[in-house]
Amino acid sequence: GNSVTQMEGPVTLSEEAFLTINCTYTATGYPSLFWYVQYPGEGLQLLLKATKADDKGSNKGFEATYRKETTSFHLEKGSVQVSDSAVYFCALSEAGNTDKLIFGTGTRLQVFP
Amino acid sequence: DGGITQSPKYLFRKEGQNVTLSCEQNLNHDAMYWYRQDPGQGLRLIYYSQIVNDFQKGDIAEGYSVSREKKESFPLTVTSAQKNPTAFYLCASRLGGLSNQPQHFGDGTRLSIL
Repeated sequence: GNSVTQMEGPVTLSEEAFLTINCTYTATGYPSLFWYVQYPGEGLQLLLKATKADDKGSNKGFEATYRKETTSFHLEKGSVQVSDSAVYFCALSEAGNTDKLIFGTGTRLQVFP
Repeated sequence: DGGITQSPKYLFRKEGQNVTLSCEQNLNHDAMYWYRQDPGQGLRLIYYSQIVNDFQKGDIAEGYSVSREKKESFPLTVTSAQKNPTAFYLCASRLGGLSNQPQHFGDGTRLSIL
């Protein structure tokens, strides 16, 4: 079945460091891919998305590129801030199936001043 | 502002009691979803509904029930049959149609056992 695998956390960085959170997926067809962010005690917020191969989603300095050849959608940011501390979820929506998102287990990011 | 409202924010359940979590959206979205999140875990799908008066079981539906009488509302009942209900519950909605539409989430309800 379809699945999403994320790197385990926590990821601990100093402010202004470069961030990469790895995400790989297994899916039939051509899924859409998403990154969500969850701040403590809150719901999930859509961070960015990509709907076809080689698409780059970007928002608030975060980027991720849909790589079909490596089945990956890694999240990157050039310079993190303390306010970026949160849990990040990678997810896929199966092509042709409007029902479900399949989520990774989440990666906690901790940024220290 | 359009969005998804979950209430209450915190809820306590006694043994043998059913409790209902509210989820209302004014985004005019067709599909609605309920997820359960346990500490340090990802999201697991409980139930979902793509249209009024219709819903389907997700991966962990046992001990839960839902209704979809109105497009805007998708309440979740945690029944006494759910033996481990302590978790963070998230409601989401989506416009429907193409799979590239993202889901939008509420702020969640945290359920605990008394």
